[in-house]
Amino acid sequence: EVQLVESGGGLVKPGGSLRLSCAASGIIFRNAWMNWVRHVPGKGLEWVGRIKSKVDGGTTDYAAPVKGRFTISRDDSRDTLFLQMNSLKPEDTAVYYCTTDHWVAAAPNDYWGQGTLVTVSS
Amino acid sequence: EIVMTQSPATLSLSPGERATLSCRASQSVSDKLAWYQQKRGQAPKLLIYNASTRATGIPARFSGSGSGTEFTLTISSLQSEDFAVYFCQQYDNWPPGTFGRGTKVEI
Repeated sequence: EVQLVESGGGLVKPGGSLRLSCAASGIIFRNAWMNWVRHVPGKGLEWVGRIKSKVDGGTTDYAAPVKGRFTISRDDSRDTLFLQMNSLKPEDTAVYYCTTDHWVAAAPNDYWGQGTLVTVSS
Repeated sequence: EIVMTQSPATLSLSPGERATLSCRASQSVSDKLAWYQQKRGQAPKLLIYNASTRATGIPARFSGSGSGTEFTLTISSLQSEDFAVYFCQQYDNWPPGTFGRGTKVEI
């Protein structure tokens, strides 16, 4: 059974930083492309970014609103995905999900974690 | 950006009834359309991809149809566990792809 468990969310002041983690099990993590997706209150779901597997280059892509502030990385030895968020803004307030990208289905978010809430407020 | 519009925002039905949810794209996305279900407090779950293919383990009462700009998710006979929020997502230009705002199916 595929399980994705996010952690690290919380309350942070504008301009602050936070690091989210996503622990994966039930997949061969080193071969998986992974995404971060967020659900902004009142605005819906929004793709944040993606990291490819190292065998496919390990490159990252980011949505325009977070490019230059957020960094996605992975530790394949620990089956864990990370999202480093810097220079946080109130509009980054959201539930953040990690998802698998085309892992078993021809779909970009075939498995999701439960999410972790990030609140950016003074 | 391709805008995905879901309707209705809320669908009030009874167990056993048929649910028809719509998702419209602002431009053609071919068949690159997925449907997700999210129950309160749970992770979203992939139901349908490529507009009409059921994901592994998804019951046959869920079906997807459409192509281009108009898509439909049909639940043939609502079960109690089907009351949830349903999102559509286009991934013709993945990433980033775009999501609809969701349809809540309630009793």
